Amino acid sequence: RKEVEQDPGPFNVPEGATVAFNCTYSNSASQSFFWYRQDCRKEPKLLMSVYSSGNEDGRFTAQLNRASQYISLLIRDSKLSDSATYLCAVNGGSGTYKYIFGTGTRLKVLA
Amino acid sequence: DTEVTQTPKHLVMGMTNKKSLKCEQHMGHRAMYWYKQKAKKPPELMFVYSYEKLSINESVPSRFSPECPNSSLLNLHLHALQPEDSALYLCASSPGRGGDEAFFGQGTRLTVV
Repeated sequence: RKEVEQDPGPFNVPEGATVAFNCTYSNSASQSFFWYRQDCRKEPKLLMSVYSSGNEDGRFTAQLNRASQYISLLIRDSKLSDSATYLCAVNGGSGTYKYIFGTGTRLKVLA
Repeated sequence: DTEVTQTPKHLVMGMTNKKSLKCEQHMGHRAMYWYKQKAKKPPELMFVYSYEKLSINESVPSRFSPECPNSSLLNLHLHALQPEDSALYLCASSPGRGGDEAFFGQGTRLTVV
């Protein structure tokens, strides 16, 4: 089993749709979780951290489920500009600097 | 300002060349990272420096040699690379407490010919 797994997609959704991605992780000691957005041939950009209580930033909501060892990202009212690859990143354990990335989920928002 | 600056943006080098990639941040971060990313793959961790000391080396071949001259700078020295080393090389930094958000530079797109 890979340490961090994502459905590679692509997820093709119409503008205005709600879409959700999951990311599962295998290391139960992981403490920090992040979602990054990566556009084609660009660097990953931090989208949001994922807190235990869940967190929301505008149209984006991130959740953590420690019992089932996955994090999720929900995008509401999808825009064309949301088209990108969404990477989850999981820290290897408390206080470590080792971040492991999932393979990414490709999202295409269609007009 | 969450800026990590990498130079050069593009690099083409021969297999016998020696070159260096540079990374700089002025956010006061104390952890800096080198990642390698191939097309359609996730970033793969290569090295981590924390407080200017090498803390993680992910069994990277010795033809890649990292250097951290000070807390703001990170270099990656390249020597005798192979064509399969062609990739996007990403530098990142984080505050240094472990588990913090990491911020990436724009990357150096390296082609080995």
